[in-house]
Amino acid sequence: SYELTQPVSVSVALGQTARITCGRNNIGSKNVHWYQQKPGQAPVRVIYRDNNRPSGIPERFSGSNSGNTATLTISRAQAGDEADYYCQVWDSSTHNYVFGTGTKVTVL
Amino acid sequence: EVQLVQSGPEVKKPGESLKISCKGSGYSFTNYWIGWVRQMPGKGLEWMGIIYPGDSDTRYSPSFQGQVTISADKSNSTAYLQWSSLKASDTAMYYCARRGPVDYIGGSYYYSGLDVWGQGTTVTVSS
Repeated sequence: SYELTQPVSVSVALGQTARITCGRNNIGSKNVHWYQQKPGQAPVRVIYRDNNRPSGIPERFSGSNSGNTATLTISRAQAGDEADYYCQVWDSSTHNYVFGTGTKVTVL
Repeated sequence: EVQLVQSGPEVKKPGESLKISCKGSGYSFTNYWIGWVRQMPGKGLEWMGIIYPGDSDTRYSPSFQGQVTISADKSNSTAYLQWSSLKASDTAMYYCARRGPVDYIGGSYYYSGLDVWGQGTTVTVSS
C-alpha cells in the first residue's frame, strides 16, 4: 500500500521560504495535491496536480514533483501560513486517495 | 456557491448506530465523487472511502472496509457515512469532500484532488 512520508515539522522565519517534502518511490509519476489545515478548520486545497493553484490561493504557494519527492514551497512566509500541511495522491489501483503523514509549519 | 454542509455533532454510546450526512449544493451532485475523511483527535487525515452519487459506485480504503458504510441519496443531493455499532475508537472529526474534475489528456488521467470540503462532523463515542 501507499505511504507518503512528510517531515513532522518545519520552521521558517517570517518572510523567508519554507519547503515541505512528500516522499514516495516514483511519486513523480503521480498527480500530487496539497492541503492546508488551520486549527479547528476543515482542510483547504492549496495546490493540485503538482503545481496548480486554485483561485484565491496566493502566488506565494507553489509546488513541484519529480522522481521520489514532491515539494510544497511557501515563499515570503507569513504568520497566517502557520498550519498543518498534507500531501495527497490518487491510487488508481485501489481507487482511493492516500494522505501524507502531515507537516506542522511554524513561522518564527 | 458550491457547498457541502454536514450534519451536527453527535454524542453516542459504544454499540449504538449512527448515520451522518453531507448535503451538496450549487453544483450537479450526481456528477462528482464524494469522499469521507477521518481525523482522530490530534492526528492526521485518513482516507475512508468514496462514492459516486450518480450510480452509487463505492470504494473503501482497506482500513475502513467493513467498518463503515458509505451511501448517497441523489434525490436529496446527500451523502452518508454510517456505523452499525460504534466503538470508542470511532471518536473523531469526519469530513466529506468533493473530488474535483478528472481530465483525460493524451492517454493519461489528471486528477484535481478534493476541491470542496464540508465543515466537519464531530463524533464522540463514550460510555
